[in-house]
Amino acid sequence: NAGVMQNPRHLVRRRGQEARLRCSPMKGHSHVYWYRQLPEEGLKFMVYLQKENIIDESGMPKERFSAEFPKEGPSILRIQQVVRGDSAAYFCASSLTGQGALGETQYFGPGTRLLVL
Amino acid sequence: DQQVKQNSPSLSVQEGRISILNCDYTNSMFDYFLWYKKYPAEGPTFLISISSIKDKNEDGRFTVFLNKSAKHLSLHIVPSQPGDSAVYFCAASGGSNYQLIWGAGTKLIIKP
Repeated sequence: NAGVMQNPRHLVRRRGQEARLRCSPMKGHSHVYWYRQLPEEGLKFMVYLQKENIIDESGMPKERFSAEFPKEGPSILRIQQVVRGDSAAYFCASSLTGQGALGETQYFGPGTRLLVL
Repeated sequence: DQQVKQNSPSLSVQEGRISILNCDYTNSMFDYFLWYKKYPAEGPTFLISISSIKDKNEDGRFTVFLNKSAKHLSLHIVPSQPGDSAVYFCAASGGSNYQLIWGAGTKLIIKP
């Protein structure tokens, strides 16, 4: 886990509000992945980004969810008009080369636990 | 559809004995399999991986075995230590897809 930072660690929102989750990858890593984990389930891929580019967002809901990874600053996962079903742990991971298909290790942050009231 | 399955939600093992965690998969296109360990309130930590061209990979107390014909892999921890108590996730990747596909996890409890 060393090096990947996520904040906030815990976030409480009321239905209809916006949630912004931040992720700073390990130093030198330019590939970022977001995963969501519901209780008692494994992690589910949401989106893969490189600096300034969304490479694959096939796991992200089409509405209300968006992600970015600007040239400067952290990657942001944004959830608009949150609903109770968005309550989950959101994990960010980073890697050096993006060669996940070749078994490249992804390094994970501690996660943000989102609770929607 | 669950492409990676960990059918045991939990496993309890005596300290010093062998822990065996199992994982089954359905997609024959997977090229790599990874095991991650997760403590409460932390992110997953990479433990060990295996390429589909191998049937065994060992790293200290951890060994992963792959049976491609059965689409089954297992993680052996020997000897088990109290610090090994955690949730263990099996994940797979392959083809042109960098996505990691995860199992639901197995909670390992090491009894003193």
